[in-house]
Amino acid sequence: NAGVMQNPRHLVRRRGQEARLRCSPMKGHSHVYWYRQLPEEGLKFMVYLQKENIIDESGMPKERFSAEFPKEGPSILRIQQVVRGDSAAYFCASSPQGFTDTQYFGPGTRLTVL
Amino acid sequence: QQQVKQSPQSLIVQKGGISIINCAYENTAFDYFPWYQQFPGKGPALLIAIRPDVSEKKEGRFTISFNKSAKQFSLHIMDSQPGDSATYFCAASMIKAAGNKLTFGGGTRVLVKP
Repeated sequence: NAGVMQNPRHLVRRRGQEARLRCSPMKGHSHVYWYRQLPEEGLKFMVYLQKENIIDESGMPKERFSAEFPKEGPSILRIQQVVRGDSAAYFCASSPQGFTDTQYFGPGTRLTVL
Repeated sequence: QQQVKQSPQSLIVQKGGISIINCAYENTAFDYFPWYQQFPGKGPALLIAIRPDVSEKKEGRFTISFNKSAKQFSLHIMDSQPGDSATYFCAASMIKAAGNKLTFGGGTRVLVKP
């Protein structure tokens, strides 16, 4: 059973471009969480999604950031018009159901904005 | 109220010694307290977790101590090994709330010297 997969692992964008980060949860998992880790800091919750639904986006910046988890395919975190402050590691985690404990993390996507 | 405070920020211990990391929280609604281990360039991996109905949980060389009245919990790594050198994060969540989003501490970088 493959773990949580994220791609790309490294992404470089210039200011003003768009960044698309993908997350494929573990097989059988229908709940996805996105977290952001700034350099030398802990992870911060961004958004929680189930298939085709955003359940909690309380950690998402109000502008430029969006997330989706379609019926088919991976979850996508989209950052429009990136700025240098968006440079961070973005981690996706999945769980088999929402009201459970263990979240399994992917290897992360490291975004660098030039 | 959502914060989890973690200390120390870094820790150096000799091989065979005990590593102790402490966390404190404010929100009494938290009901799940996991610890994650993260190696450079990797995603966090669940190490051990505890619910507030027990005061201690041990798995191999790793022990969580939990003090509900003080709203504190700690990780003890016994017989520390060089392979334990990593960053450790405590976290807290409310399982029964929507989605079980994790609130992380700031992390502790542990270096075990041979």
